[in-house]
Amino acid sequence: AQTVTQSQPEMSVQEAETVTLSCTYDTSESNYYLFWYKQPPSRQMILVIRQEAYKQQNATENRFSVNFQKAAKSFSLKISDSQLGDTAMYFCAFMKHVSPDKLIFGTGTRLQVFP
Amino acid sequence: EADIYQTPRYLVIGTGKKITLECSQTMGHDKMYWYQQDPGMELHLIHYSYGVNSTEKGDLSSESTVSRIRTEHFPLTLESARPSHTSQYLCASSEVYPSTDTQYFGPGTRLTVL
Repeated sequence: AQTVTQSQPEMSVQEAETVTLSCTYDTSESNYYLFWYKQPPSRQMILVIRQEAYKQQNATENRFSVNFQKAAKSFSLKISDSQLGDTAMYFCAFMKHVSPDKLIFGTGTRLQVFP
Repeated sequence: EADIYQTPRYLVIGTGKKITLECSQTMGHDKMYWYQQDPGMELHLIHYSYGVNSTEKGDLSSESTVSRIRTEHFPLTLESARPSHTSQYLCASSEVYPSTDTQYFGPGTRLTVL
């Protein structure tokens, strides 16, 4: 069975600074997807970034980038130039490449961005 | 605008009541999912559907039931609500082609059973 671990329940960062959220996972699959989702307070869960395991290149989306280490089963999220709107719960998630394509979520990291 | 909708957003009911949580999406997605998010924020899959008349149970055992009579609609029903059902319920959908991996989430229904 797959598991996803986020070891940082809470983190804080000053506006404009950079912060890295950690995620490790366990799987015997060779092909899968990894995601970071963001859930702002009382708002909708939205996709931040996705990574396909067979791609060695780390995914980037504007200020968000990942450090994907397949051998170490690590998938950290780096947020550059943090903004107040980045304050949210961040979930790391795993999905197998084959059916059933359900998301396995970590327990989340609550990120607070301070002015 | 294509989106995924959930109603009601908040619901407070008494024990023993029958409730239905609505989920609709206008994105034409074949796959739909229900996740339960506990107060500690952990999310667990409770039901999923790959198309009309297809429903499967997820990882977390749930006393709820679902139906999929129309592609865009995936309601979740609790026949007799109990305090242990207090949670947030998130609906999600994903397409089959060209890419099936990204799930889009609704705003959630926060259910409180007294």
